[in-house]
Amino acid sequence: GAGVSQTPSNKVTEKGKYVELRCDPISGHTALYWYRQSLGQGPEFLIYFQGTGAADDSGLPNDRFFAVRPEGSVSTLKIQRTERGDSAVYLCASSLTRARETEAFFGQGTRLTVV
Amino acid sequence: AQSVSQHNHHVILSEAASLELGCNYSYGGTVNLFWYVQYPGQHLQLLLKYFSGDPLVKGIKGFEAEFIKSKFSFNLRKPSVQWSDTAEYFCAVNSRENAGNMLTFGGGTRLMVKP
Repeated sequence: GAGVSQTPSNKVTEKGKYVELRCDPISGHTALYWYRQSLGQGPEFLIYFQGTGAADDSGLPNDRFFAVRPEGSVSTLKIQRTERGDSAVYLCASSLTRARETEAFFGQGTRLTVV
Repeated sequence: AQSVSQHNHHVILSEAASLELGCNYSYGGTVNLFWYVQYPGQHLQLLLKYFSGDPLVKGIKGFEAEFIKSKFSFNLRKPSVQWSDTAEYFCAVNSRENAGNMLTFGGGTRLMVKP
């Protein structure tokens, strides 16, 4: 497809479990971003990749959250020991370059529910 | 740290009414400004953006926004709304000091247009 693809679209997990959320950016986009959107709020920045490296991970809430992008394309957001407060929609976005003037394209998100 | 405020959380209008959604940001430096829209069941899409130049920006679907630097505002307007404009609208900024295109979003405004 032409857009940013995120899988799964929905994930229900038990408290304490480990989850992985996947993002397939638009082909050729070098910059990739993860955001978290809690109910009734706007998206909040988590981490930004330029190529394979995490250029800014200042938005990750704690060390239970980790993300990788080993080949500079697909990215995986990993959450260890999930807590009920982690329930949110996790959004991925990509842009052609890291320049601030380039448009960021968003996926439809993964809705994570921790029970 | 930069922040974005959208004062109207829910707006209900009848078709053909005029729309203005407020957005204020707090950041002393130079910013780029955006409005994103999320239609029901769809992903975030860019509506319009301001980087420099004419402070009155025109976007898709008849939307426009005006950057007023002295008021730290970037309000969204549309002269005559349609039922199809029912969606959630997010104002966002990025700082030109950021390494990438990380966005800080407001909390969003849910617009319902009654036919």
